[in-house]
Amino acid sequence: EDQVTQSPEALRLQEGESSSLNCSYTVSGLRGLFWYRQDPGKGPEFLFTLYSAGEEKEKERLKATLTKKESFLHITAPKPEDSATYLCAATYSSASKIIFGSGTRLSIRP
Amino acid sequence: GAGVSQSPSNKVTEKGKDVELRCDPISGHTALYWYRQSLGQGLEFLIYFQGNSAPDKSGLPSDRFSAERTGGSVSTLTIQRTQQEDSAVYLCASSLALFGKLNNLANYGYTFGSGTRLTVV
Repeated sequence: EDQVTQSPEALRLQEGESSSLNCSYTVSGLRGLFWYRQDPGKGPEFLFTLYSAGEEKEKERLKATLTKKESFLHITAPKPEDSATYLCAATYSSASKIIFGSGTRLSIRP
Repeated sequence: GAGVSQSPSNKVTEKGKDVELRCDPISGHTALYWYRQSLGQGLEFLIYFQGNSAPDKSGLPSDRFSAERTGGSVSTLTIQRTQQEDSAVYLCASSLALFGKLNNLANYGYTFGSGTRLTVV
């Protein structure tokens, strides 16, 4: 069964404390791996797309990486405004839709 | 418009009533998607539109759920005889992607609206 699993469910960090969020996927013929940020009461906001193992993308304090089985979202020296739920999603070769994970709730304490 | 617009933002309805949720996608976006997000859960795919047709409606949970899209633009998700388990945030997204053109989909991802929070009491 095609699915996307994220861990941990929740992560609390001190401001400046770097860490990583994990996304493992079991989809056949991965065509794109996505990361989204979701703030309370809002829809998900697109961050990155990764296409193939070894690819990396960066945006401010965030860096997303991809292997053949999982993706990591690294956050370096986070700030309180980085607090949000981060969603991972994947699409595969025969699909017309994106499959989402349950997300990681990230909280950054000042 | 500048973004995906959904209305209403909040809806409280009595069990057994019908509700209609509206989505205005970004102008020119050919693909439109409905997802459902329950408390603490990931996004659950409901239906996908390409233009006015729905090539994939595999996620609709029951025949009480239906959706249509007119003029390749506005979409309406209708839930008949609502049940308490229908309570969730219903999210709409649009994309420039063309069905089958997965490279385009991967390039643009989706742009989501802010959702409609449906509460069935």
